[in-house]
Amino acid sequence: GAGVSQTPSNKVTEKGKYVELRCDPISGHTALYWYRQSLGQGPEFLIYFQGTGAADDSGLPNDRFFAVRPEGSVSTLKIQRTERGDSAVYLCASSLRAGPLYEQYFGPGTRLTVT
Amino acid sequence: EDKVVQSPLSLVVHEGDTVTLNCSYEVTNFRSLLWYKQEKKAPTFLFMLTSSGIEKKSGRLSSILDKKELFSILNITATQTGDSAVYLCAVPSYGNKLVFGAGTILRVKS
Repeated sequence: GAGVSQTPSNKVTEKGKYVELRCDPISGHTALYWYRQSLGQGPEFLIYFQGTGAADDSGLPNDRFFAVRPEGSVSTLKIQRTERGDSAVYLCASSLRAGPLYEQYFGPGTRLTVT
Repeated sequence: EDKVVQSPLSLVVHEGDTVTLNCSYEVTNFRSLLWYKQEKKAPTFLFMLTSSGIEKKSGRLSSILDKKELFSILNITATQTGDSAVYLCAVPSYGNKLVFGAGTILRVKS
């Protein structure tokens, strides 16, 4: 079946602009995660959803970052007033359920460049 | 704070060689450890190791978990150029988020 999809694959924006990144999880997966990966590092957790609600948003770096999952499927990560330090690859993952014994499957990511 | 450390940071081998990648971890409540292969952008799931499944094998790849010494290894035998990638190790932390190591960059030369 289809894997996790993310759009756009690349996004270039100017400092101070607003961006939205979209994630479409594997069908039937109830848990959805967002991570951010900088060059030479492993992915870092941002937020995860169980169904429609954000179960843990402790990884969001500040209040410029926000994510929603209104119908329990597609999720959108929103970044306001972008800064050059926000440049990274934003990865989305989904799992059948939330829990440490459920594998997380990743999408291809969105490479965000803030100029 | 939960932590994962991978070694080596990078490795260059020739086709046909066998490689061993290392992952050590510190986690408050261990439940599982995951290995991923990352080419370009998307990490691809390889293995999950748990207390009830401390050895996994798929083709030329295999992995073991040592819960006593808090580490895991990923072995790749008869390496091919297509094995060139970044290999990531991760453990679930509080709240089900994955804590990743920095990865090992493997380059297989033909």
